[in-house]
Amino acid sequence: EAQVTQNPRYLITVTGKKLTVTCSQNMNHEYMSWYRQDPGLGLRQIYYSMNVEVTDKGDVPEGYKVSRKEKRNFPLILESPSPNQTSLYFCASSLQSSGRSYEQYFGPGTRLTVT
Amino acid sequence: KNQVEQSPQSLIILEGKNCTLQCNYTVSPFSNLRWYKQDTGRGPVSLTIMTFSENTKSNGRYTATLDADTKQSSLHITASQLSDSASYICVVSRNNRLAFGKGNQVVVIP
Repeated sequence: EAQVTQNPRYLITVTGKKLTVTCSQNMNHEYMSWYRQDPGLGLRQIYYSMNVEVTDKGDVPEGYKVSRKEKRNFPLILESPSPNQTSLYFCASSLQSSGRSYEQYFGPGTRLTVT
Repeated sequence: KNQVEQSPQSLIILEGKNCTLQCNYTVSPFSNLRWYKQDTGRGPVSLTIMTFSENTKSNGRYTATLDADTKQSSLHITASQLSDSASYICVVSRNNRLAFGKGNQVVVIP
């Protein structure tokens, strides 16, 4: 089954404790992206990747890191999480960049709480 | 200022009725405009994707329209069902980036 998976689905952590949220897709997609969704603000793009070893900042990249060493995986790293990073995070992928009219598939989401 | 504005923010409709959701955007030029459906607590699911040269696109009971001159799009839901209760998000793509609206929250009641 074609899908985007994220782990963990739920995470409660403390300020400053490094964490990684994994994202994997099995559709051989070139384009992958991370978003956060907050009440009243909608979805906002954190980082995106056009292909292996090619990443770029989105609208809200501060406090986050990403890497794209393999085509299928695009982990999101929070080196020192803070409470303002409490949010619902979505990973997504598409065959090519969002500038092309390819459907973007979203993962199930990761709900992160930083205390 | 948000580049994609949606209205109404929320609405309640009776099962079987039609409704229309509006999206106004300022992103220009753009590559494509998308409508997504998002059920509570789940990832968005694509409904339609239109390039700037397309005027309408349908997906079952969902029909999206686009007027690139006035920078407006609409999503029409025909014969609504209880399963249509969700948030509908308008998204405009430009230069490999996506600008998201805050969504129209639709509640369908029996």
